[in-house]
Amino acid sequence: NAGVMQNPRHLVRRRGQEARLRCSPVKGHSHVYWYRQLPEEGLKFMVYLQKENIIDESGMPKERFSAEFPKEGPSILRIQQVVRGDSAAYFCASSPSRSPDYEQYFGPGTRLTVT
Amino acid sequence: AQKITQTQPGMFVQEKEAVTLDCTYDTSDPSYGLFWYKQPSSGEMIFLIYQGSYDQQNATEGRYSLNFQKARKSANLVISASQLGDSAMYFCAMSLANFGNEKLTFGTGTRLTIIP
Repeated sequence: NAGVMQNPRHLVRRRGQEARLRCSPVKGHSHVYWYRQLPEEGLKFMVYLQKENIIDESGMPKERFSAEFPKEGPSILRIQQVVRGDSAAYFCASSPSRSPDYEQYFGPGTRLTVT
Repeated sequence: AQKITQTQPGMFVQEKEAVTLDCTYDTSDPSYGLFWYKQPSSGEMIFLIYQGSYDQQNATEGRYSLNFQKARKSANLVISASQLGDSAMYFCAMSLANFGNEKLTFGTGTRLTIIP
């Protein structure tokens, strides 16, 4: 069984460019979560989505960041006009149903570097 | 709002000894779940163990056990017979059961180093 897939694994962007991070959840999982990890810190929640719906975006900056989980295809985290402070590891996690009844399975992460 | 506190930034333990990683939590919700994840130097997040707030017994998974003390709001991870491969960052996390609050809230982590 394939786990959570994230691509790219490493992404380098110059300041002002756009970054698109993709997450394919475990097959059959309809709940997707995005987290950000700054260097030497714990993971911080960004957004929680179910198919075609944003359930909780309380951790996502209001500007420049957006997320979607369409009916078909992967979940996308989009960062417009990236700045150096966006450099971090971005993790996607999926679950078959709502936490905490089910664990969240994490992908390998995308390491974003803004130069 | 929920909060997770891990007070040990780093620990050094001799191989084959048992180790306890501390975690305390704070929430007013009666229904929640507690998780431990391991993050090796390669960076992935590996699920270790889960404890539900209504579970009567402490969770165990192989060499991992969770010492759940509800009244003290603590959920310490115990690793028995530590191995060199246990060297990693360990994160305690919590999720609430009420709709819209399913996100994981993580502690700052403990870096465990196993000494041969």
